[in-house]
Amino acid sequence: EVQLVESGGGLVQPGGSLRLSCAGSGFTFSRNWMSWVRQAPGKGLEWVANIKQDGTEKYYVDSVRGRFTISRDNAKNLVYLQMNSLRADDTAVYYCAREYAYNSTWPQNFDCWGQGTLVTVSS
Amino acid sequence: DIQMTQSPSSLSASVGDRVTIACRSRQRISNSLNWYQHTPGKAPKLLISAASYLQSGAPSRFSGSGSGTDFTLTISSLQPEDFATYYCQQTYTTPYTFGQGTKLEIK
Repeated sequence: EVQLVESGGGLVQPGGSLRLSCAGSGFTFSRNWMSWVRQAPGKGLEWVANIKQDGTEKYYVDSVRGRFTISRDNAKNLVYLQMNSLRADDTAVYYCAREYAYNSTWPQNFDCWGQGTLVTVSS
Repeated sequence: DIQMTQSPSSLSASVGDRVTIACRSRQRISNSLNWYQHTPGKAPKLLISAASYLQSGAPSRFSGSGSGTDFTLTISSLQPEDFATYYCQQTYTTPYTFGQGTKLEIK
C-alpha cells in the first residue's frame, strides 16, 4: 500500500524554525517528484514547494521562497521541508503529496497524500 | 502565476441530484487540470486527472471535462459520502495553483 506519513509539526514562535518530514512507503520513492501543500485554518489548499526525483530541481510558491527549503533523502524515503523565519500566516496543516504522471507527456497529478501535520506559529 | 477560479464557492444539494462544478483558468493550460475531494480531517483524494480521466478507485458517478481554460466536474447522482469540498488544480506550470474550493453541502 502506498503511504505517506508526515511528522514534525508543532507550536513555534514567530521568527522560529521547524523541519517537517514525510516518510514514503509502498512505492519506489526515488521515481517521483514530491510536493508539499498546506491548508490554513478556514482556507483552501495552497501548493508550497516541490522537488524532482534526484533533488536537482526545486520550485516554491513566492510567499515561502527564501524562507523554506525542500530536500529529500531517497536512501531513507524521506522528503523534508525546512521552514525558517516563520510567520503567523504560515499556520496551517502541511501535507506531503506524491506527484505522478502516466508518461513524460502526461500532466502531473497528486495521487497520494499524507494525513498532514499541523504547524502553529504563535507567541 | 495561473489563477484558478471555481464556481460556485458553495452549493446545497440533495442525495440523488446531479451537480456540476466549474473551474476556469486565467490562461490556457491544455488538459493539465486535476480534481480533488477533501473532507475535514482526511487527506485530499484525487478524483480526476488530466481533465477527464477518472482515477482508479474513484466512483464512476464522477466525471470531468474541458480543455484550455474551462473545465467542469460532474457528479451524476449525489451520494451521502460526496458531501465535501472539491478543488481543481492546474499542473501546467509551477507554482501549481488550486481553485478556492467548492463546498458541497446537504440541502
